[in-house]
Amino acid sequence: DTGVSQDPRHKITKRGQNVTFRCDPISEHNRLYWYRQTLGQGPEFLTYFQNEAQLEKSRLLSDRFSAERPKGSFSTLEIQRTEQGDSAMYLCASSSTVDTQYFGPGTRLTVL
Amino acid sequence: GQNIDQPTEMTATEGAIVQINCTYQTSGFNGLFWYQQHAGEAPTFLSYNVLDGLEEKGRFSSFLSRSKGYSYLLLKELQMKDSASYLCAVRSLALTGANNLFFGTGTRLTVIP
Repeated sequence: DTGVSQDPRHKITKRGQNVTFRCDPISEHNRLYWYRQTLGQGPEFLTYFQNEAQLEKSRLLSDRFSAERPKGSFSTLEIQRTEQGDSAMYLCASSSTVDTQYFGPGTRLTVL
Repeated sequence: GQNIDQPTEMTATEGAIVQINCTYQTSGFNGLFWYQQHAGEAPTFLSYNVLDGLEEKGRFSSFLSRSKGYSYLLLKELQMKDSASYLCAVRSLALTGANNLFFGTGTRLTVIP
């Protein structure tokens, strides 16, 4: 395991559809973060897990967004009833304790 | 709240030195990070400062002044492959201990021959 992986790398969907993304963190990392990045902007924090517990959620995370980390390993981010404004790169990062966050390659979502 | 400012774009010549500045305002400051991001790729970690002073790592150095809310990233002996966005991020100790990162918009550096 050499790094954080995300699947899929690209997703094109129609407005109103649901989408789910997966993140596999670095194996020994107990902290997992989701960020969203739009063109020309820095990543914006969405939510954070320590092991299986979701400890922090940004106000950016509307009720159409839900994230899980059921066994404290991989995580999923689901967006229901997608809107065009949801088009962005969704980045996952992981860290051990308070160490540096390492990012995955991201999932680029396009909502038509 | 948090506020991070860095220049939007910079251009520098191959072989030269460039300094990218970042100023920030945040509560619960717990470290400042610099990431490099090539177009369409994920951010990759470059450096981390939590105490005042200079951290050197090969061609890259990063400086922090907590009293001034100021940091810079120094890139020496610029190479064409250094053309990328450079993201300044501040770690804030939230009540949950999440140590969330708050990013600036990034500085797009173009290295020219």
